[in-house]
Amino acid sequence: LAKTTQPISMDSYEGQEVNITCSHNNIATNDYITWYQQFPSQGPRFIIQGYKTKVTNEVASLFIPADRKSSTLSLPRVSLSDTAVYYCLVGGSQEGYNKLIFGAGTRLAVHP
Amino acid sequence: NAGVTQTPKFQVLKTGQSMTLQCAQDMNHNSMYWYRQDPGMGLRLIYYSASEGTTDKGEVPNGYNVSRLNKREFSLRLESAAPSQTSVYFCASSEVALSSYNSPLHFGNGTRLTVT
Repeated sequence: LAKTTQPISMDSYEGQEVNITCSHNNIATNDYITWYQQFPSQGPRFIIQGYKTKVTNEVASLFIPADRKSSTLSLPRVSLSDTAVYYCLVGGSQEGYNKLIFGAGTRLAVHP
Repeated sequence: NAGVTQTPKFQVLKTGQSMTLQCAQDMNHNSMYWYRQDPGMGLRLIYYSASEGTTDKGEVPNGYNVSRLNKREFSLRLESAAPSQTSVYFCASSEVALSSYNSPLHFGNGTRLTVT
């Protein structure tokens, strides 16, 4: 199983760029990296997914180095509404969703 | 488009009581899942259904049963509730089970269950 390690919490201020790094040293060749966001009293929401290099969508960017042993979620110009827990997941190739593990995630607090 | 709908939103049970948590999705997804989330922790998979007619155990299945009633609905049953089952329960669905690529999980907003 590809275990992930993320910082427990982070603080930022409105307008700043936030980078959350996730370590996944034993990622398998066919595994994808997926990030979810969870607000209080809501279920997690898919943010972005990638396999290698860089992926960008309207919400975030995901940077994955060549060795794929880590990944960085980048949130540009955060606002108060980005305060949430962010989960990094690795897997979903051959093992299926029964092997995907949600860790404790990273609690991001955005301050005025 | 409602996505994933869970009922009820809140429930209080006494130890030993039974109840069924309901989940329905309107995205025509093949796969459905039940997770629990305890305070300050991530989500743990209880059961999942890769496709209509199949169910499999996840990480923490003890004390629970599931039914994939049809493609849309996946219910979770607690036969004899225990205080250790106090948690927030999330239902999720995805288009495909065996690959996460381009098949993200879509979650409901949860059922908050307290067992006294």
